[in-house]
Amino acid sequence: DAGVIQSPRHEVTEMGQEVTLRCKPISGHDYLFWYRQTMMRGLELLIYFNNNVPIDDSGMPEDRFSAKMPNASFSTLKIQPSEPRDSAVYFCASSFSESDTGELFFGEGSRLTVL
Amino acid sequence: GNSVTQMEGPVTLSEEAFLTINCTYTATGYPSLFWYVQYPGEGLQLLLKATKADDKGSNKGFEATYRKETTSFHLEKGSVQVSDSAVYFCALTPNSGGSNYKLTFGKGTLLTVNP
Repeated sequence: DAGVIQSPRHEVTEMGQEVTLRCKPISGHDYLFWYRQTMMRGLELLIYFNNNVPIDDSGMPEDRFSAKMPNASFSTLKIQPSEPRDSAVYFCASSFSESDTGELFFGEGSRLTVL
Repeated sequence: GNSVTQMEGPVTLSEEAFLTINCTYTATGYPSLFWYVQYPGEGLQLLLKATKADDKGSNKGFEATYRKETTSFHLEKGSVQVSDSAVYFCALTPNSGGSNYKLTFGKGTLLTVNP
C-alpha cells in the first residue's frame, strides 16, 4: 500500500502569497494530522481530523492558517497570506483507529520557504 | 498537560559505540510511549513502542523500557552503525478518550555516527 503522499515537496514563495499544501492519507485510515517542524519549536501539531471532521485545531497559529478535509482521501493546509516566519517543513500523518495504539504514518513533508 | 523531555543533542558517536538517548515524560493516566526516527530528507517513522509499564519495545537493535516509577523511556542500542545517523523523537499519546491519537513529541535528538 502506498504511504502518506504530500505535495509539493518543496515550495518557495514570496511574502503575501497564498500557499496550499496537499495530503493523501493511507487508504482506510480515519485520522489525519498536520504537523509543522522548525528548528526553534520542533514538531508542533497544528490540527487533526477524524472521519474528515476537524477535532482539534488549537495548534493552528492564527487565522491565516486553514485546513480542510473534503473527503477521506484528501486534505489541504492553506496559508493566506504567507509570512517568512511560516517557513518550515509541514508534515501530514494518518492513523487507523482500530490499531492498538496511536501509531502515526508520516508523509515525507512539504518544505516551505517564504521570502 | 502532557510533555516529553529528551536529551539535547547533537550526539556524535563512533561506529560500534553504545548509544543512550534519555527521555522522560509527564502525563496523566497511562500513556503509550514511542520512539520515532527521522532520516535525512524523510518523514518520521515509528521505531518502537510500549503501551504499558515494564513493556520493552525493540526494533533494529534498538530497545526502550517503559519505566513508570521514573517516568522514563530511554532509547538504547549496543552497537551503532553509520546508517543509524538520524533524528530520534520520543513521544507519547495519552490513553484517554478522543485524544488517544494526539502524539506529543519531544524536541528530537540528532545522532551522528562516524565510521
